[in-house]
Amino acid sequence: KNEVEQSPQNLTAQEGEFITINCSYSVGISALHWLQQHPGGGIVSLFMLSSGKKKHGRLIATINIQEKHSSLHITASHPRDSAVYICAVSSFGGSQGNLIFGKGTKLSVKP
Amino acid sequence: KAGVTQTPRYLIKTRGQQVTLSCSPISGHRSVSWYQQTPGQGLQFLFEYFSETQRNKGNFPGRFSGRQFSNSRSEMNVSTLELGDSALYLCASSLWTGAYEQYFGPGTRLTVT
Repeated sequence: KNEVEQSPQNLTAQEGEFITINCSYSVGISALHWLQQHPGGGIVSLFMLSSGKKKHGRLIATINIQEKHSSLHITASHPRDSAVYICAVSSFGGSQGNLIFGKGTKLSVKP
Repeated sequence: KAGVTQTPRYLIKTRGQQVTLSCSPISGHRSVSWYQQTPGQGLQFLFEYFSETQRNKGNFPGRFSGRQFSNSRSEMNVSTLELGDSALYLCASSLWTGAYEQYFGPGTRLTVT
């Protein structure tokens, strides 16, 4: 079993829809990261959080430490949001450089 | 501020050769991490360097090595290349080691034939 599980693996949405991507992990963590990867490979860090909730524009990330679960929400989705979203955790006691990654969720937003 | 840069962006090598990849972190960042991404295994941690010292190493054979220089620039080396080493190699820098956001470079796509 992977230490970081994401669902769904693939997601197709219509423009304007509210999107949720889930991440569950089985290790103790010091932080959880949400990353975005566009075709071509470049990765952008969207959020790093260790508790509660963070918001940036149309993106919201939440984490429940007790349940070892995080969600990434996209409100009013747009075709430019089409990308692979990756959840990664830094295991507790380890270096932040030692990230454990989920397999990613491929999002496609249709106009 | 300039972002993380990686050179070269694309590389084709033959099995058995060795390769060196370079990463220049964001100015002022002291930590550099390296990751390998393949379609089958996804993203995997290779190693992290902070202040010229390797802090962590992932589960990769000894053919994978790296170093960090006093200006925080980092290189990774893969010797005796195998077909399975074909991958996108990403480096990421952060201000410090610990709970800091990582900034990723564009990656080097290595193809081994």
